[in-house]
Amino acid sequence: EAGVTQFPSHSVIEKGQTVTLRCDPISGHDNLYWYRRVMGKEIKFLLHFVKESKQDESGMPNNRFLAERTGGTYSTLKVQPAELEDSGVYFCASSPTGTGPRSSYNSPLHFGNGTRLTVT
Amino acid sequence: AQKVTQAQTEISVVEKEDVTLDCVYETRDTTYYLFWYKQPPSGELVFLIRRNSFDEQNEISGRYSWNFQKSTSSFNFTITASQVVDSAVYFCALGRSGAAGNKLTFGGGTRVLVKP
Repeated sequence: EAGVTQFPSHSVIEKGQTVTLRCDPISGHDNLYWYRRVMGKEIKFLLHFVKESKQDESGMPNNRFLAERTGGTYSTLKVQPAELEDSGVYFCASSPTGTGPRSSYNSPLHFGNGTRLTVT
Repeated sequence: AQKVTQAQTEISVVEKEDVTLDCVYETRDTTYYLFWYKQPPSGELVFLIRRNSFDEQNEISGRYSWNFQKSTSSFNFTITASQVVDSAVYFCALGRSGAAGNKLTFGGGTRVLVKP
């Protein structure tokens, strides 16, 4: 099966511009997560979709970040306007749905290669 | 609050040496999950292992082994007879049970460099 796909792999934009990151999860995975690692820091959770619904967006840093998952398939993460501190690697991950909430939420995450965002 | 500490930022070894990566976690949950992920130069995070808090048995998978000790809140990872292909960044992570299970708290990562 195809893995989690992220596009673009690398994006360089100027401060104040807009960037949209895309994630295609593994087919059939209802759970989709966004994480990011800014320079020198830990990988941090951003948000979690279950199908098209936002289950948890407590990690979104501010309202410049907007995530969508129309139709419950691929997801986009838009940063508008981008700031210097947004530079980092943005990871998308997905996990399958099990037979109950416990099994689905704790199935190991399958991560994509990440998108490296550089804001200059 | 959840916290994961990987005190070693970088470890350099010569091929065939063993290397142990330390992971110490903090949580108030009684049920939780611990993970190790590998990030090779290609960038993706590759799942290595998941351990739940009720299973303290050590695990071995090929050259990889894990030592989980609840008494010291540690989940250490050992690569035996390291190979150049083991060069990567390794992340330890902590997950909660239930709905927040994959809202992982990651450690800072340990970069392992295996020299031929």
